[in-house]
Amino acid sequence: AQSVTQLGSHVSVSEGALVLLRCNYSSSVPPYLFWYVQYPNQGLQLLLKYTSAATLVKGINGFEAEFKKSETSFHLTKPSAHMSDAAEYFCAVSGGGSNYKLTFGKGTLLTVNP
Amino acid sequence: EPEVTQTPSHQVTQMGQEVILRCVPISNHLYFYWYRQILGQKVEFLVSFYNNEISEKSEIFDDQFSVERPDGSNFTLKIRSTKLEDSAMYFCASSRQGGNQPQHFGDGTRLSIL
Repeated sequence: AQSVTQLGSHVSVSEGALVLLRCNYSSSVPPYLFWYVQYPNQGLQLLLKYTSAATLVKGINGFEAEFKKSETSFHLTKPSAHMSDAAEYFCAVSGGGSNYKLTFGKGTLLTVNP
Repeated sequence: EPEVTQTPSHQVTQMGQEVILRCVPISNHLYFYWYRQILGQKVEFLVSFYNNEISEKSEIFDDQFSVERPDGSNFTLKIRSTKLEDSAMYFCASSRQGGNQPQHFGDGTRLSIL
């Protein structure tokens, strides 16, 4: 079984500051990991994915995430926050093999202050 | 860019009534999913569908729920006799393959049970 823990339900940063959203996972098999973003009244948009090719993954809008097996983490970062980054961010894990369902974390709401 | 479309965006239904939520997945995708998000809670997996049959379902997906791909383009979720606790945002997703292929989500249908 898989599970995801996102530390911090709400993160607030100033525009231009570093964004760090934390995600830890639990999986009995090598995981596939994803970050999704949800803007108000919209669906979930894929930011980036880890599928074992490279531990540092670059996504859209300047976001990246690093897979650290020893820490079972997949934290999302962006060097400089923009007002348009304000949204809810979800980390998700898929178990691979024939288990394709996504297990989501509770989400982290990012606010960006001017 | 092709996208998953869901209709309606908002559905209000009396308790005990049947409701059908509709989705048009991305055309060359083979795997289809339904998730739901109760207000304030995490996104939860309901069911996955491949090759015209259910490949996996969660405990939430009981006998009141069913899915269908009636015509090769639509993918529907039916709730036979709605309960108050079925009120949630329902997301449809599709992927080209399973496993490490990212799932693409629609904007969701907000289901309100009165």
